[in-house]
Amino acid sequence: KAGVTQTPRYLIKTRGQQVTLSCSPISGHRSVSWYQQTPGQGLQFLFEYFSETQRNKGNFPGRFSGRQFSNSRSEMNVSTLELGDSALYLCASSFFDSRQETQYFGPGTRLLVL
Amino acid sequence: GQQLNQSPQSMFIQEGEDVSMNCTSSSIFNTWLWYKQDPGEGPVLLIALYKAGELTSNGRLTAQFGITRKDSFLNISASIPSDVGIYFCAGHLQWETSGSRLTFGEGTQLTVNP
Repeated sequence: KAGVTQTPRYLIKTRGQQVTLSCSPISGHRSVSWYQQTPGQGLQFLFEYFSETQRNKGNFPGRFSGRQFSNSRSEMNVSTLELGDSALYLCASSFFDSRQETQYFGPGTRLLVL
Repeated sequence: GQQLNQSPQSMFIQEGEDVSMNCTSSSIFNTWLWYKQDPGEGPVLLIALYKAGELTSNGRLTAQFGITRKDSFLNISASIPSDVGIYFCAGHLQWETSGSRLTFGEGTQLTVNP
């Protein structure tokens, strides 16, 4: 079974631009979560989607948004990019069929904002 | 917000030695997970713990879910050079209707000298 895939792997943008990142979960997984990883803050939860609905949201500004499609694929968007948005953005998927939920991560998208 | 205290921050050991790292939290979690991350890649799941007191092994790795549900440890026996990387603990909170999220520790950087 293929793992979680994320595209693109690397991205360079300038301040003020917007960016869209894509995540394809493991086949059969219906929950997709996004995390931001930076050297200073570590791994921080952004949001979680299940059946095309955002169920949970972390403490990030409204410039960070996301969505999930009917095939469980997910995208996240960051508008009006700031230098501090430079980070590794990780997507994780899970099946969520019981209390024994386990999240599996993709390789991440490395975003550099200049 | 919730925080996980992971220690030690870094370890330098000789090949063949055993390693122990742990995480503590001020909050209770449903699940404890341990991940390993190599540079430029996403975290890879090592062990998942679902019940308080549970002790689980995966090859040379052993992890336990603390009785209080607020802590967990990971042991690596007979370390080898490919064990090098950053190890993260993660506490998982899951609600029936409002989703789930992972809270991560700061990571333990492991260096193994051949």
